[in-house]
Amino acid sequence: NFMLTQPHSVSESPGKTVSISCTRSSGNIANNYVQWYQRRPGSAPTTVIYEDNRRPSGVPDRFSGSIDSSSNSASLTISGLKTEDEADYFCQSYDPSNHVVFGGGTKLTVL
Amino acid sequence: QVQLQESGPGLVKPSQTLSLTCTVSGGSITSGTYYWTWIRQPAGKGLEWIGRIYTSGTTKYSPYFKSRVTISIDTSKSQFSLKLSSVTAADTAVYHCARSSGWDRPFDYWGQGSLVTVSS
Repeated sequence: NFMLTQPHSVSESPGKTVSISCTRSSGNIANNYVQWYQRRPGSAPTTVIYEDNRRPSGVPDRFSGSIDSSSNSASLTISGLKTEDEADYFCQSYDPSNHVVFGGGTKLTVL
Repeated sequence: QVQLQESGPGLVKPSQTLSLTCTVSGGSITSGTYYWTWIRQPAGKGLEWIGRIYTSGTTKYSPYFKSRVTISIDTSKSQFSLKLSSVTAADTAVYHCARSSGWDRPFDYWGQGSLVTVSS
């Protein structure tokens, strides 16, 4: 199996751009889709990016996703940061046995 | 609008079996190619996938829980359930049920979560 490693926390100012990385420990990041979930305190997670870089309807285009085979990682980028973006963000993918694998989560602080 | 709601005891004694039920409303549990999943989040930690069940009853479990977990579905009640045996304090977590439209599709609906504490 593999692990998805995320930074424990990131912080940035309103209006700025922040990227959160998700590094796959083994196997090619491009082999399986990566999803990103946002979890605000007290709420259930919601999908902000699916299939590496697709946005569900209703998610602002300030949110974007990408994968980089050279670093074997996925990234979630949020531009024009708003205080409402402050939340925990989790990446998620699948292993060769079709099990779901989550990253450890990143706490985004917008200050 | 599809809604998922977890229910079950909030306190379980060590070595006993944790049992939770997820009730699906606003849509049929059997319509479409949906997978019904259990996910948990221990305090201060990340999300952990426990396993999933298809409407046919086919299951897939995380290797981490495989020896202790059973997920079942009751289509007549529009519910699916989680049983986790031989629990310890490490199983204390918020347990979520969720839905996806394929095994490799994102989770599009989640329950709010149910806190289960394992303590004597």
